[in-house]
Amino acid sequence: DSGVTQTPKHLITATGQRVTLRCSPRSGDLSVYWYQQSLDQGLQFLIQYYNGEERAKGNILERFSAQQFPDLHSELNLSSLELGDSALYFCASSGRGPSEQYFGPGTRLTVT
Amino acid sequence: AQSVSQHNHHVILSEAASLELGCNYSYGGTVNLFWYVQYPGQHLQLLLKYFSGDPLVKGIKGFEAEFIKSKFSFNLRKPSVQWSDTAEYFCAVRMDSSYKLIFGSGTRLLVRP
Repeated sequence: DSGVTQTPKHLITATGQRVTLRCSPRSGDLSVYWYQQSLDQGLQFLIQYYNGEERAKGNILERFSAQQFPDLHSELNLSSLELGDSALYFCASSGRGPSEQYFGPGTRLTVT
Repeated sequence: AQSVSQHNHHVILSEAASLELGCNYSYGGTVNLFWYVQYPGQHLQLLLKYFSGDPLVKGIKGFEAEFIKSKFSFNLRKPSVQWSDTAEYFCAVRMDSSYKLIFGSGTRLLVRP
């Protein structure tokens, strides 16, 4: 158990819908990262937040957005879902500075 | 473009065989290097990391990796694998002051009992 929690574990939804994935970082970690893992793209960095502020952006679609709240939990919002958005979405957290990232169990999103 | 390559996509070994998984990255600046393991149906777990100092790093479960700067490589090794090492292994690199990790495509290891 890494100490990073994610909900829900599984999500099945239809094309065109919007979903919200939630992540709680390890106690004391200020940074939250979101990654997408799919069969064709592998593990791709989406976005990073540090203490409530967006710090870095990766291959995140405009239909996707994220935020980090004052209690440091983060949400990833995916809208206008397409079949190709089906993937595992991982959240990771890390402490101050360039330290290692600890990953949560992931949310498996299936778009039908 | 910055990238991480894992050339072995699938590896099949018998128990007690030695393991070496290759990882190369394309970046000339400062890097931090990681190996993560993903057991079937589970999340990514950190096996080992390199930040600086001794280029031979030891991780959990008997794994080790060697950073060879001149070859831009960070290969993962284990002298004797077990059936329980069956998993997918990911090399990841953080480049300079960036906080994001760039992952390789992963290597699926199957250890036959």
